[in-house]
Amino acid sequence: AQKVTQAQTEISVVEKEDVTLDCVYETRDTTYYLFWYKQPPSGELVFLIRRNSFDEQNEISGRYSWNFQKSTSSFNFTITASQVVDSAVYFCALGQIQGAQKLVFGQGTRLTINP
Amino acid sequence: GAVVSQHPSRVICKSGTSVKIECRSLDFQATTMFWYRQFPKQSLMLMATSNEGSKATYEQGVEKDKFLINHASLTLSTLTVTSAHPEDSSFYICSASVAGFEQFFGPGTRLTVL
Repeated sequence: AQKVTQAQTEISVVEKEDVTLDCVYETRDTTYYLFWYKQPPSGELVFLIRRNSFDEQNEISGRYSWNFQKSTSSFNFTITASQVVDSAVYFCALGQIQGAQKLVFGQGTRLTINP
Repeated sequence: GAVVSQHPSRVICKSGTSVKIECRSLDFQATTMFWYRQFPKQSLMLMATSNEGSKATYEQGVEKDKFLINHASLTLSTLTVTSAHPEDSSFYICSASVAGFEQFFGPGTRLTVL
């Protein structure tokens, strides 16, 4: 069975602090995709990143960075120098490459950046 | 590119009535569309997967007679909540996928059943 766990339900930090959102996944598939999405109060999901299980390189995009550790089945997301606009719910998701290509979402982490 | 729209964005209906939600891929042809439901402060839960011209595949625990899905074309899928009740009030999100796997999400539809 596929499962994604985001143990942090809510995180609150002060602006400009760095913050890391944890994501741990379970799958029996040898190949898969991992995703991060942002969901602001409007509700629309904003795609942040997709990572193929073959590619364990860390990625940086501006203030965002992702650390993929296949050995520990983790795909953590770090925001550096956080800003109030980063406040949202963040979801980690696991996707099939074969078959129905379904996505399984974690429970989400509500991030609040205080001015 | 890869824009997915949903209509309506919000709907309020009386208990016992049926509500139809449309999901359209505006600038691409989607081989597969997915329907998710999200209760307040909870995660997205996949309800069903539909391929154009085929019957939808429902996830365990989702009543297919209550949540009717029609995927009549490569750009349109509809979800009809039949005989809606207050417990069906939720945020419904669709996504559309092209071959090779990339799901593009719609903006969601907030359903309130009185």
